[in-house]
Amino acid sequence: NAGVTQTPKFRVLKTGQSMTLLCAQDMNHEYMYWYRQDPGMGLRLIHYSVGEGTTAKGEVPDGYNVSRLKKQNFLLGLESAAPSQTSVYFCASRSTGGGTEAFFGQGTRLTVV
Amino acid sequence: KNEVEQSPQNLTAQEGEFITINCSYSVGISALHWLQQHPGGGIVSLFMLSSGKKKHGRLIATINIQEKHSSLHITASHPRDSAVYICAVRDDKIIFGKGTRLHILP
Repeated sequence: NAGVTQTPKFRVLKTGQSMTLLCAQDMNHEYMYWYRQDPGMGLRLIHYSVGEGTTAKGEVPDGYNVSRLKKQNFLLGLESAAPSQTSVYFCASRSTGGGTEAFFGQGTRLTVV
Repeated sequence: KNEVEQSPQNLTAQEGEFITINCSYSVGISALHWLQQHPGGGIVSLFMLSSGKKKHGRLIATINIQEKHSSLHITASHPRDSAVYICAVRDDKIIFGKGTRLHILP
């Protein structure tokens, strides 16, 4: 999964704390995505971006905010973490066009206690 | 109804068997991905399809755009193929199926 880097890889938060997950890609991709993966649920789309300065809600956006101030970075914020946000978070990116490959980060395992 | 449905959810087979995993979708797409994920691991892209058939080693993926259906086949399965296989469809969004957990017994 060269080209898409997620930081941090692991984090433990207390309920009510805030944090930001960073997704960085060096492939000049227009599209970037944040997903959460929970047992039995598959990957569910939180927010996505179709270009610098734009963001849109996915399937499960509540409790999260995002920003795409720079084309290469897509930030996912948790303002007040809740135990229900314990999950593995994946970022993905791709360029425009129907025939282009998508690339995935290695995941961030977040535990909220 | 989920936009992407995979079957089966779980599959256990003996080493050497021919494996088929199916994916049906209900939305318009520009491409379909087959992905692999090992327990606790990252997501690896196996194929991206917009039409026809692709082959890589023992893996074959097909898609029928008219029927909104894709299949992933594994020939001569091996215990190292044990993983979760995920179908994902995309237009602007990328929407994932829930995955098929494959276990190949030696």
